[in-house]
Amino acid sequence: GENVEQHPSTLSVQEGDSAVIKCTYSDSASNYFPWYKQELGKRPQLIIDIRSNVGEKKDQRIAVTLNKTAKHFSLHITETQPEDSAVYFCAASEGGSQGNLIFGKGTKLSVKP
Amino acid sequence: KAGVTQTPRYLIKTRGQQVTLSCSPISGHRSVSWYQQTPGQGLQFLFEYFSETQRNKGNFPGRFSGRQFSNSRSEMNVSTLELGDSALYLCASSSITGGVETQYFGPGTRLLVL
Repeated sequence: GENVEQHPSTLSVQEGDSAVIKCTYSDSASNYFPWYKQELGKRPQLIIDIRSNVGEKKDQRIAVTLNKTAKHFSLHITETQPEDSAVYFCAASEGGSQGNLIFGKGTKLSVKP
Repeated sequence: KAGVTQTPRYLIKTRGQQVTLSCSPISGHRSVSWYQQTPGQGLQFLFEYFSETQRNKGNFPGRFSGRQFSNSRSEMNVSTLELGDSALYLCASSSITGGVETQYFGPGTRLLVL
């Protein structure tokens, strides 16, 4: 089955700097890669996603890149703000089923003012 | 549209008991997935239901079961509770728009097993 590795587990940046979180996956049949942000005590919220037929997607300060050959995808946050502080999870669909997501262990991002 | 709702939000049980959790998806969403979140194991997929049928199943013992009703509401049941079942149980509903299936999470049910 699918296995998703996420790095780093913690990341601390200064406000205004960029943050990059990387994930690798094992199942070449995976075709959907969402990223979720979870603030303390709250539910995971989808922030951006990418499908396997696209190499890059951007939404304001957030971008995701996908390298299918190497089986890795990354989240890039530019001009970080204190409110970006949260735990970020990457996920990959199990095979072709988007209803079954395999999650990374999460990255705790701290943005210092 | 109202978001995904889950009841109850908090639950305390003792070992050996059983528990039923409920999830109401976003109106129009036919797929409901369940996840267990713990500090040690992170977010783990339990199962997915679509049109009252289990479509996918994760790697959990048979004590964990679920079902979906004709109105897409879903329940999950855990029998013979163990201390290790203490976790946040999240459900997510999804629909396909433009060929993309996006999952939206509910607030979760926090289960504590004593």
